[in-house]
Amino acid sequence: DGGITQSPKYLFRKEGQNVTLSCEQNLNHDAMYWYRQDPGQGLRLIYYSQIVNDFQKGDIAEGYSVSREKKESFPLTVTSAQKNPTAFYLCASMEIQGTSGYTFGSGTRLTVV
Amino acid sequence: AQSVTQPDIHITVSEGASLELRCNYSYGATPYLFWYVQSPGQGLQLLLKYFSGDTLVQGIKGFEAEFKRSQSSFNLRKPSVHWSDAAEYFCAVGHYNFNKFYFGSGTKLNVKP
Repeated sequence: DGGITQSPKYLFRKEGQNVTLSCEQNLNHDAMYWYRQDPGQGLRLIYYSQIVNDFQKGDIAEGYSVSREKKESFPLTVTSAQKNPTAFYLCASMEIQGTSGYTFGSGTRLTVV
Repeated sequence: AQSVTQPDIHITVSEGASLELRCNYSYGATPYLFWYVQSPGQGLQLLLKYFSGDTLVQGIKGFEAEFKRSQSSFNLRKPSVHWSDAAEYFCAVGHYNFNKFYFGSGTKLNVKP
C-alpha cells in the first residue's frame, strides 16, 4: 500500500545537538511538507518542496533545515539554533495542483532532554 | 492573509447526540476546504473536502460539512456521535494553485457515555 513513513516515532535530543527526522513516501507525489504541532496552536508550516532539489521556507523555518535529493524523501534537520524544539512533527505529501489534499505520516515526537 | 478559525477549543457531547464543529476562514479566492481528524499521537486523516459544486459534502465515518460562502464557514456535522469519534478535528483552507494549506488550531471532541 502507498503511504508516508516517518521515523523514528519518538526522538530525544540533548541540548546543542542536531537531529534529523526521516520522511519517505511511495505515493509518487511531487510536493512534500513539514509541519510542527504544539498543543492549542494547530499545525504550522516549517518547509515545503514542490520539486526535487528545490524547497521553500514556511512560516517557522528558523532553526530547521531540509533537503530534497529524491522525490520520495524529504528529511528535516532540527538544528541547535532551534530554541524550543520539543513538539510533534508531521510530514505530508500531495499531488501538485491535485484535488486530494494532503496525505500525512504518523508523526515524530521530539523531546529535548 | 489566509487564516482559519476554529472557535471551539473543546467540545463535549453525549454519545448519540448530534455534533457541529465550527470553522470560519479568511481567503482571497474561492477556497479548497478540508476537515481532518487526529487521534492522539497519530497523523491526520482526511474526513472530507470541498472544491466546487454542491455545497453540502459527505465524508467518511458519517460526517458531512456545508460550505457557506456568505458566512465564510465550513462547519462539520454528524447526526449521531459514537464514542470512537473522540479525537481532535482540524479545518484547513487553501488553493491548489499555491500547493499549501492553512490549518485551524483544532477542536478537541470528548464523547460522554
